[in-house]
Amino acid sequence: QKEVEQNSGPLSVPEGAIASLNCTYSDRGSQSFFWYRQYSGKSPELIMSIYSNGDKEDGRFTAQLNKASQYVSLLIRDSQPSDSATYLCAPIGVFTGGGNKLTFGTGTQLKVEL
Amino acid sequence: DARVTQTPRHKVTEMGQEVTMRCQPILGHNTVFWYRQTMMQGLELLAYFRNRAPLDDSGMPKDRFSAEMPDATLATLKIQPSEPRDSAVYFCASGLGQGASEQYFGPGTRLTVT
Repeated sequence: QKEVEQNSGPLSVPEGAIASLNCTYSDRGSQSFFWYRQYSGKSPELIMSIYSNGDKEDGRFTAQLNKASQYVSLLIRDSQPSDSATYLCAPIGVFTGGGNKLTFGTGTQLKVEL
Repeated sequence: DARVTQTPRHKVTEMGQEVTMRCQPILGHNTVFWYRQTMMQGLELLAYFRNRAPLDDSGMPKDRFSAEMPDATLATLKIQPSEPRDSAVYFCASGLGQGASEQYFGPGTRLTVT
């Protein structure tokens, strides 16, 4: 089992619709979760973080976390063509030697169609 | 405009040659991460420095890869000898404190080993 599982997609949604991106993780000790967006040929950029169970909203983005189910999701409302990118889920884990690290999923490719 | 810089942006080399990639973290950031990204494996953590000290390099093939931070403004990743399977995009990211949560990625070095 991979540490972080994401459906690779592509997930295609029409412009204006809600895009739902899902992620499951295996490390029950993970406390913090991050969503990064990566445009084709570019580097990842942080768009959302969530630390507590429930929902966290930031503009058109809502992150949802359920630690009991080891599940985190990202909803994008009113999807725009500019949202077309790969979305990477990244829970924080712990190095065996101390310190913490992000473990990235392989990402879900989102395509927002006109 | 603070950002992580990486050089070179592209590198094509022949198998067996030495490759050195450089990263300048954002001024004031004390954590530096090296990642490798391929289509198959996604983003893999290779090495992690905090305050210039290596904290973890368990993700790095030790026989051919080495990472150093000779000073606070420069991190290097070296491959010697390079192999075709090393072909990937190598990202450097920097952060503050524990550093793992909000990471700021550089533009990456696209390495092709023939």
